[in-house]
Order: sequence, then C-alpha cells, then structure tokens
Amino acid sequence: TQLLEQSPQFLSIQEGENLTVYCNSSSVFSSLQWYRQEPGEGPVLLVTVVTGGEVKKLKRLTFQFGDARKDSSLHITAAQTGDTGLYLCAGYDNYGQNFVFGPGTRLSVLP
Amino acid sequence: AAGVIQSPRHLIKEKRETATLKCYPIPRHDTVYWYQQGPGQDPQFLISFYEKMQSDKGSIPDRFSAQQFSDYHSELNMSSLELGDSALYFCASSYRGRREQFFGPGTRLTVL
Repeated sequence: TQLLEQSPQFLSIQEGENLTVYCNSSSVFSSLQWYRQEPGEGPVLLVTVVTGGEVKKLKRLTFQFGDARKDSSLHITAAQTGDTGLYLCAGYDNYGQNFVFGPGTRLSVLP
Repeated sequence: AAGVIQSPRHLIKEKRETATLKCYPIPRHDTVYWYQQGPGQDPQFLISFYEKMQSDKGSIPDRFSAQQFSDYHSELNMSSLELGDSALYFCASSYRGRREQFFGPGTRLTVL
C-alpha cells in the first residue's frame, strides 16, 4: 500500500491545454515536495509546500497544499511540450521518519 | 550551481560480482540518501547518512552496504549481484538532515 497516491497515472494532452494532477494520502505530511523526472535522469525538485492551504506559483505551475496537509495538487497552465515528464510527489510523514514517493503521474504534452 | 555528482553513470556487471557506486553531495550538504528505481517504478529509499552516521534505513538488501566519508561523499557497495538489482540508483543530498532532497543524475546498473 502506497502512503502517497497520485492521479491520474497517465495524462496525454495537447500543447496549450491546462491540467491538474493530484497527490493524496490518508496520513498527514509535515511537508510535500514535487519533482519532475525525465527518462534516465534524476528527479528535479520543483517546489516544497509546508503550510496547510499554501499556494505556490512557479511560472505556469501552481502548487497547492491541502488545509489538512494530506493532499496536494499541481496545476499547469498552457502546457508546453517541455512539460512532458514524470511528476512525483514526495515527503516526510508527520512523524518525520519516512520519506516516501508517490507512484507518479506520467504527463505527455503533444505538439 | 553545483549539483549532486554520481559515478559511474553506467555500470554493467555479471551475476555474483560486486559494484561500488559513488555519490558526491552538493557542497555544504551533510546528508546523503540512496534510492533504487526499477523500470516504471517510483524511487525506493535504501539508506541515508547524516554527518557520516547512518540515519535511516529503508529497503536495503543485506548484500548492500553504504557509508559516508569525512568529506561527506558516500559509497554504496553491492555484493553478490543478482539480475533483479538492475535498476537506476540515485543519490540525493540535503542540508541539515530532513529537508528538500536534491537528486543526482543516477547510475544505471545492469546485471547480466
């Protein structure tokens, strides 16, 4: 059983469309990180959210941490082909002991 | 900015051989983490070190061992390699223990 669930598992959209991917857990997280990973490369840290209800923007990417710190979302506006990749959420559970990854959302943005 | 360095980037070994993977953290980072990622899977935590001491242990097989040296670089030693050990191995580093982790480019290990 994964501590972090992500949905959708796969997403294929056209360039210019908007999308939202989700990261959910039944456990409280002290913080959550979002990473993007390309094939054969290491995950690249995009953002860390710490406070419940927090919203962070990174150009066309908007990250939100749920009020209860059990879920997070990533919204991409006007997707570009360069956004293609595996999006992973990860974080320490509220005990701060275990750093876990979600299974990821594989995004494909078509020209 | 300097990133995490891993070497080698690619490694091919035979069954039952040994392998050593190296990780050089971002300067001033004192914590190193090792992960294994199989095809189509998310990274699985193996082990971590903080200030040269083992801090957390995940799903690391007994055939594997790791250490962190005085210059904070880390080595993952893998013995009696099995076909199932073929994977991408990532190292990540952070500052002051449990904060954001920054990943290296990985070592692709293939066991034949």
